[in-house]
Amino acid sequence: EPEVTQTPSHQVTQMGQEVILRCVPISNHLYFYWYRQILGQKVEFLVSFYNNEISEKSEIFDDQFSVERPDGSNFTLKIRSTKLEDSAMYFCASSDRQGASAKNIQYFGAGTRLSVL
Amino acid sequence: AQSVSQHNHHVILSEAASLELGCNYSYGGTVNLFWYVQYPGQHLQLLLKYFSGDPLVKGIKGFEAEFIKSKFSFNLRKPSVQWSDTAEYFCAVNATNTGFQKLVFGTGTRLLVSP
Repeated sequence: EPEVTQTPSHQVTQMGQEVILRCVPISNHLYFYWYRQILGQKVEFLVSFYNNEISEKSEIFDDQFSVERPDGSNFTLKIRSTKLEDSAMYFCASSDRQGASAKNIQYFGAGTRLSVL
Repeated sequence: AQSVSQHNHHVILSEAASLELGCNYSYGGTVNLFWYVQYPGQHLQLLLKYFSGDPLVKGIKGFEAEFIKSKFSFNLRKPSVQWSDTAEYFCAVNATNTGFQKLVFGTGTRLLVSP
């Protein structure tokens, strides 16, 4: 079964540093998502991306966050200046369809654990 | 706003015991419903889904779930668990009346099956 891959599996950074989390979605998928899970809390939606632009974002996704599809295969999440509260597991997902009547199934990666010290 | 509640955060069962994990959602419109499972160190994997039709859906590995619209519930069941079912289970919903379908997750249930 095709998989979404994420790298690195664990990232440790100092507060205030920039981090880039990488994802390779399933190759024929066009819709991409980032979610995060702070330890002990729910998996929360951050952002969705289609056709090289953000299609929806949550209130968590502030100016410190950005997403990019730099080369047609990778999908990255950048946190410009990390804060302690950004420590979480970040999940990337992709799907091949979207829309009000679409049977949208999102396929997830294993996640990147971000630890901000 | 949509929300999802999973009532059991940790469940411990012996092998061959029956499993039922509760999931309730809060949303007035039509939804798609999902159960995902995450085995240790692995990606979130789709266990089963409900879009429409028969409210009793069967998924992989012997799991099933029943959508009860009147109760806003989508409980996951398995008649006889195995040690290999040890994992974290997530219920999720998305609304079908919006163009962009983010998933809203519950907090997850950690299942430990002892041999």
